[in-house]
Order: sequence, then structure tokens, then C-alpha cells
Amino acid sequence: AQSVTQLDSQVPVFEEAPVELRCNYSSSVSVYLFWYVQYPNQGLQLLLKYLSGSTLVKGINGFEAEFNKSQTSFHLRKPSVHISDTAEYFCAVSEKNNFNKFYFGSGTKLNVKP
Amino acid sequence: DADVTQTPRNRITKTGKRIMLECSQTKGHDRMYWYRQDPGLGLQLIYYSFDVKDINKGEISDGYSVSRQAQAKFSLSLESAIPNQTALYFCATSDSSGGVTGELFFGEGSRLTVL
Repeated sequence: AQSVTQLDSQVPVFEEAPVELRCNYSSSVSVYLFWYVQYPNQGLQLLLKYLSGSTLVKGINGFEAEFNKSQTSFHLRKPSVHISDTAEYFCAVSEKNNFNKFYFGSGTKLNVKP
Repeated sequence: DADVTQTPRNRITKTGKRIMLECSQTKGHDRMYWYRQDPGLGLQLIYYSFDVKDINKGEISDGYSVSRQAQAKFSLSLESAIPNQTALYFCATSDSSGGVTGELFFGEGSRLTVL
């Protein structure tokens, strides 16, 4: 089974500052990688995904993530955050030969302060 | 209207009671999932179904059962609820046709409290 580690359970940051949310996974096989966002009292929605090709993936709301195969990482970044980015962010992995099973990290709560 | 609808959204019940959480989707997806979310643990897969006749256990299926009544409906049952089943439950769907995209589409969640 896959293991997905989000090292930071909470990340406080001031508005307009850059942010990086870290995600590492354990895998000996090829994977697909995802970031989901959960706003308060809502379900999760897809922020971005890496399936193949360019290792730098751009998503909605100005977020991007970079796949690093050698470090088995998929860190999420935004150069300038807004108050509205306050949410919980989940990294997820699925195996290319079994892509219907998703493994989620424990989540990182991003708290953007004015 | 939401593409993936869960009912009820909130439920408080007592230990030993039978509870059913229902999920319906209008996305036309063949695959449906039930996840449980606990603070600091992320999402854990309870059961998943790839079509009406296919039901599979996930990581934490003990104490739960499911029924796929139709392609669009997937319900989760707790036969005898216990307090440590207090959690936020999510239904999700995905589409196996049109190649691999892997995206899950989530409902808004059902918050269950077992006293």
C-alpha cells in the first residue's frame, strides 16, 4: 500500500506571502499525484493533478506543484496567498496500474492571516 | 444542485442504533467510494464499487456495509453504531471511461455523531 506524508499539519502565513505545502509519498511503482482542497464545511475538490509529462503542474487559483521523482515529492506552492486560500489541503496518490485506489495524506491546514 | 448528494448531512444517534448514509450522483460515473475523515488522519477508504455488481472493501471496512442499488446510488450502513464511528463521511465518484484522469468528485459530507 502507498503511504502519503504531509509533514506540516498546520501552516500559518500572512496574506500576500508565498507558501509551500509539502507532500512525500512512498512508492516503488509509477504513480499519479493530486492535490485536493477542502474549504470549511465543504467536500474536497481537485486543485491540480500530475499524470505525465511536464513535472511542473499548474492548477486553479494560482497554485502549482512540482513532481520530483527522485525525492518522491509533490510539493504545492503559491507565490502570493489570499485570505480566501484558508482551507485544508490534501495530497493524494494513486498507482498507475491501480488508479482507482487513492491514498490520502493527513492534510495541511493553511491559515492565511491579514 | 450538487452532482454528488449525500443524505443526511448531519446525524446524531445512540450507540447500537442502525444508521444508513445515502449517496446519489448525477455525473453518470461508474465508480463510487465511501471515505471517512477524522481530524489529523486524512481520508480513509471504507468501501468502493466499480459497478453495480462490484463491491470491494477498503482500508477500514469493519463495522460497515454498503449497497450499490443502482449506478447512481451507493449507501453506507452502520449496523450497530459505536462512538468511535463518530466522523465525517464522504461519498465520491470517478469515471473509468475516456481514459485515465483519476479525479474523484466528492459530496459535501455527512457528519455522524454516535453518543
